[in-house]
Amino acid sequence: TQLLEQSPQFLSIQEGENLTVYCNSSSVFSSLQWYRQEPGEGPVLLVTVVTGGEVKKLKRLTFQFGDARKDSSLHITAAQPGDTGLYLCAGALTTDSWGKLQFGAGTQVVVTP
Amino acid sequence: NAGVTQTPKFQVLKTGQSMTLQCAQDMNHNSMYWYRQDPGMGLRLIYYSASEGTTDKGEVPNGYNVSRLNKREFSLRLESAAPSQTSVYFCASSEFTTLDTQYFGPGTRLTVL
Repeated sequence: TQLLEQSPQFLSIQEGENLTVYCNSSSVFSSLQWYRQEPGEGPVLLVTVVTGGEVKKLKRLTFQFGDARKDSSLHITAAQPGDTGLYLCAGALTTDSWGKLQFGAGTQVVVTP
Repeated sequence: NAGVTQTPKFQVLKTGQSMTLQCAQDMNHNSMYWYRQDPGMGLRLIYYSASEGTTDKGEVPNGYNVSRLNKREFSLRLESAAPSQTSVYFCASSEFTTLDTQYFGPGTRLTVL
């Protein structure tokens, strides 16, 4: 059973459209990270959020950490083909003193021209 | 500056065979990790090493052993491979804790027949 549930599992959109990916849990996390992974490569960190209610923007990507630190979302504005990839959320449980990461199963995003 | 390197990139084993996956980082990081990635499961932590000379179990350690050979190198050994260990294996490193950026290697795709 995944501690972090990501939805949707798969998303296919046209270039220029907006999209939102969700990451939900019943557990509380001290921090949450978002990664993007391309085929044949390892994940690459996009952002880390640590404060409940925090919003971070990275160009066209907006990340939000829920007030209760149980959920997060990633919003992409005006998606481009270069945004195609597997998006993974990962969190460190508050009950884990060392902060090992729990990963969600990922959302596969495909942006077509 | 190669970052995190892994060898081999691909491997096919027969049930019962043994092998060692090699990982090295050139970023002078203290912490290193081994994950496996399976379809629909996200990344799961097998073992980690918070610092040179220490190793600890992650979420799915059964059937694996690790060695933190020195600060740069962290190897993963399968003593008697099983088909359930067919997966993509990623090594990662971070400066200290998981709050720091984790840098992932390109992965090893392992098939056990």
